[in-house]
Amino acid sequence: DTGVSQDPRHKITKRGQNVTFRCDPISEHNRLYWYRQTLGQGPEFLTYFQNEAQLEKSRLLSDRFSAERPKGSFSTLEIQRTEQGDSAMYLCASSLINSPLHFGNGTRLTVT
Amino acid sequence: GQQVMQIPQYQHVQEGEDFTTYCNSSTTLSNIQWYKQRPGGHPVFLIQLVKSGEVKKQKRLTFQFGEAKKNSSLHITATQTTDVGTYFCAGGYYGQNFVFGPGTRLSVLP
Repeated sequence: DTGVSQDPRHKITKRGQNVTFRCDPISEHNRLYWYRQTLGQGPEFLTYFQNEAQLEKSRLLSDRFSAERPKGSFSTLEIQRTEQGDSAMYLCASSLINSPLHFGNGTRLTVT
Repeated sequence: GQQVMQIPQYQHVQEGEDFTTYCNSSTTLSNIQWYKQRPGGHPVFLIQLVKSGEVKKQKRLTFQFGEAKKNSSLHITATQTTDVGTYFCAGGYYGQNFVFGPGTRLSVLP
């Protein structure tokens, strides 16, 4: 068990650019979650997958955000036309069904 | 949608004092999980409660799940400096995702 791995750890981008983050979950976990966290706040749910199926997506998530988990293993989160308000820590977590979430170290995004 | 509230937002205690954080959901939960996040770190799982009225203990930590499965609490006895961090509850909703509360930030003065 190598844990949940996220790449990159930090990303600085200019407003309007597209960014993509990757998450490698714990191998036997069938659920994969994306959360966003800003300073002093709790993790905010973005979306989650069970295997390759995207089961839920937050209504707060704009159309600029898209996530994939093509083979039911790793996942990518893409943000198009980034805005300064997108600056946050993007956390990925994986789990078995109804089991604890195991978080990665996150990708810190700064939009200038 | 589902909302999870936590109080207090901050708690400053003297080392050795007790600490309690409370979590409330707007709707009935299927289960609740508690996480701890140290400064600069990511949330780390502490415990999961599933049954109505359930109480679980981990050394100095006591977790409770309300009878109506809409509220929960975490109590730490005789805090230590290693308890410093933010404690989050995460409400699990039937067939849906986990919704995190805003957290209670605990600081412990030596």
